[in-house]
Amino acid sequence: GAVVSQHPSWVICKSGTSVKIECRSLDFQATTMFWYRQFPKQSLMLMATSNEGSKATYEQGVEKDKFLINHASLTLSTLTVTSAHPEDSSFYICSASEGGWSNQPQHFGDGTRLSIL
Amino acid sequence: EDQVTQSPEALRLQEGESSSLNCSYTVSGLRGLFWYRQDPGKGPEFLFTLYSAGEEKEKERLKATLTKKESFLHITAPKPEDSATYLCAVGPGATNKLIFGTGTLLAVQP
Repeated sequence: GAVVSQHPSWVICKSGTSVKIECRSLDFQATTMFWYRQFPKQSLMLMATSNEGSKATYEQGVEKDKFLINHASLTLSTLTVTSAHPEDSSFYICSASEGGWSNQPQHFGDGTRLSIL
Repeated sequence: EDQVTQSPEALRLQEGESSSLNCSYTVSGLRGLFWYRQDPGKGPEFLFTLYSAGEEKEKERLKATLTKKESFLHITAPKPEDSATYLCAVGPGATNKLIFGTGTLLAVQP
């Protein structure tokens, strides 16, 4: 149980392109989903918290106009990287928890490797 | 400031050689401490949640323990398939976020 699916697994695109990443909870309803970014040999940095039916909460320093998050249903959240540039290249990972509280484990997708040329 | 520090950064073991990974934390009101395993190019895989000091949990060759300041992940008689990065994360009391450490890269040689 508690499977999170993320799509696509990897994307290569030209600078200036917008890229959408999907995160789905397959066997549970996720009131809260989280989006992380991970650089090589570094840990996961939380970008934003996505709540179903409401606006996402972004961490300090994360541009909400560049990283658009939509959580339209209890099983789907999307992250759109708008007008992507090479510095946006990274490994993006989503997670979801059933309860939405920090004492419940977050279950992670397998990540999306984004490369901007 | 909430903070998680993991040590060592990297650990190389021979198959069967038991050891421990450390996770030290400072957090305002711990809601839970989480251990994850991450394989290269994959998302973290949930292992354990610990909620209070003195708690222990086991899964196969792994055992996690918790005190008020740190957690240990004990690996007994590891196998090469245990090679991965092990991440520790804490959930601060007032939020539903997780704060991750930088992980320990474990390599188990046959």
